[in-house]
Amino acid sequence: KAGVTQTPRYLIKTRGQQVTLSCSPISGHRSVSWYQQTPGQGLQFLFEYFSETQRNKGNFPGRFSGRQFSNSRSEMNVSTLELGDSALYLCASSLTSGGSEQYFGPGTRLTVT
Amino acid sequence: GENVEQHPSTLSVQEGDSAVIKCTYSDSASNYFPWYKQELGKRPQLIIDIRSNVGEKKDQRIAVTLNKTAKHFSLHITETQPEDSAVYFCAAIGSTSYGKLTFGQGTILTVHP
Repeated sequence: KAGVTQTPRYLIKTRGQQVTLSCSPISGHRSVSWYQQTPGQGLQFLFEYFSETQRNKGNFPGRFSGRQFSNSRSEMNVSTLELGDSALYLCASSLTSGGSEQYFGPGTRLTVT
Repeated sequence: GENVEQHPSTLSVQEGDSAVIKCTYSDSASNYFPWYKQELGKRPQLIIDIRSNVGEKKDQRIAVTLNKTAKHFSLHITETQPEDSAVYFCAAIGSTSYGKLTFGQGTILTVHP
């Protein structure tokens, strides 16, 4: 099976812009979780989607949003970018949204200038 | 919410030695505990996991132990090799946490040849 894929792999944006990141889960996986990874804060949970429904959300401002499509592909959007949004954004797919194995994509490296 | 503490933050060993990384969690409802290995510039890779109904699990040179009473779990790597050098993350999740892995801060493991 193909692994989790994310596009784009790298992005450079300026403050105030918005960005959309995409994640394609492993075939058959219905849950997609998103994480932000920074050197200072580590890996932090953003939100999780299962069958097109957001079922959990982390402590991030409303500028961070996401959605999931019927084929389980997911996107996350960050509006009004701030310098502090520079990070590696990782998505992870799993069969279900409870305690099942999560497999990560390669991430999107976002740099905000 | 769940809180996961991981120690040590850095660990340096000689090739062939054993390495142990410890994590504690706060939420007694957590029932799934994965460990990830992240090499520089790469995605976190699931290397082993354990569920709350099991006390120990082993896979070749790596093993994980869980003490539910004390709320801590540990990763044991035996016969370390230079290719084991990476950042290791522990995580915890409950069955009703809907995709939200809570991660420890990470341990930088360096194996010297």
